[in-house]
Amino acid sequence: DTQLTQSPSTLSASVGDKVSITCRASQSVDTWLAWYQQKPGKAPKLLIYKASSLESGVPSRFSGSGSGTEFTLTITSLQPDDFATYYCQHSNSYFGPGTKVDIK
Amino acid sequence: QVRLQESGPRLVKPSETLSLTCTVSGGSINSHFWSWVRQPAGKGLEWIGRLYIGGSTIYNASLQSRVVMSVDTSRNQFFLKLTSLTAADTAVYFCTRDHVLVVGDVPHYFGMDVWGPGTTVTVSS
Repeated sequence: DTQLTQSPSTLSASVGDKVSITCRASQSVDTWLAWYQQKPGKAPKLLIYKASSLESGVPSRFSGSGSGTEFTLTITSLQPDDFATYYCQHSNSYFGPGTKVDIK
Repeated sequence: QVRLQESGPRLVKPSETLSLTCTVSGGSINSHFWSWVRQPAGKGLEWIGRLYIGGSTIYNASLQSRVVMSVDTSRNQFFLKLTSLTAADTAVYFCTRDHVLVVGDVPHYFGMDVWGPGTTVTVSS
């Protein structure tokens, strides 16, 4: 099975910062990679699918890029509502370990 | 819009079988893929398996010997059974809608776009 790793595991940032999270796959997943945001006590929310397609209703400050084995989720101008944990997932199956974005 | 709601026991004894139901409302369960995902307290997300209404299933390799997913289209519900429970199965269990399109024989994955709120299951005697 394809394994996903994420870096960093924790990211401290301030409102207005640009942040990037990396997801690496142990073998190519083409562009079948999704990103989710999860807040404490809530279900995850789909942000990005097919590596770079923005899910309907998701703010445009979120973007995804990459293909093959390396992918990036970027949040431009971090907002208070964006402090959360972010997960990547390949092929609608296995998830990465998560990256927590907290307040610096 | 489509909503999902998990239901089932909150407390199950070790070695027993967990049975959970996901009820789909606001849309048809047909012509879609559906999944279960779980999350132990303070830990990450773990995909359990996926069900297609046509009957096919695929499970997480680490769980496949203990998992069965099924569906009742007449009730707009799908189900999870997990056997031989241990404390490690204690988690919040989510049901999800899988946005997957099969073109020819090739699946195209567009993420899990609808999630239930989750149900907490504790395995303890």
